[in-house]
Amino acid sequence: EADIYQTPRYLVIGTGKKITLECSQTMGHDKMYWYQQDPGMELHLIHYSYGVNSTEKGDLSSESTVSRIRTEHFPLTLESARPSHTSQYLCASSPLAGEQETQYFGPGTRLLVL
Amino acid sequence: GNSVTQMEGPVTLSEEAFLTINCTYTATGYPSLFWYVQYPGEGLQLLLKATKADDKGSNKGFEATYRKETTSFHLEKGSVQVSDSAVYFCALAALTGANSKLTFGKGITLSVRP
Repeated sequence: EADIYQTPRYLVIGTGKKITLECSQTMGHDKMYWYQQDPGMELHLIHYSYGVNSTEKGDLSSESTVSRIRTEHFPLTLESARPSHTSQYLCASSPLAGEQETQYFGPGTRLLVL
Repeated sequence: GNSVTQMEGPVTLSEEAFLTINCTYTATGYPSLFWYVQYPGEGLQLLLKATKADDKGSNKGFEATYRKETTSFHLEKGSVQVSDSAVYFCALAALTGANSKLTFGKGITLSVRP
């Protein structure tokens, strides 16, 4: 059973607000990812990290930012939320060695920006 | 570049029907192949995987065989249940050193009627 957590699960917020989506994993995985999932269910990688102090942009350009100060924690921040940011955000992690290709996903945060 | 193509959906079946969901891929080298499942309101879960040609992944009555000659990894189940209603994603991981990332298909929604 994967141990990766996301909070909040649902968030409704007004335009212009700053928000942080939390993601934590207790598996000691070095690699972590953020995906944006559109209403058609397609997944887009927006950020990833190979370890502490490592962050990279993904395949889809995003106005969000991420940080990786601790191995277990990979928060995503939007400085000024807009309706176009309305989406589901999924966090995932994977080990650096061994089963490095298998990603374990959190339950997701569903964001609605009014 | 790498890509995954899934058949168009959605798919609606009656309980106990046979299921096939097609997946083909394009990749350099020898990727690992995955099927992930996303139940309503949840994140993705690994359903099965195969790491080399002719390998068969299986789990929960689902199976898929890695076919290098046809670059395919079709998902099958002999008798679906209502509880199998979910979104199914085919994915590949083509290693680039230790920096492997998953490339997902667009996903397909399966609905099973009682």
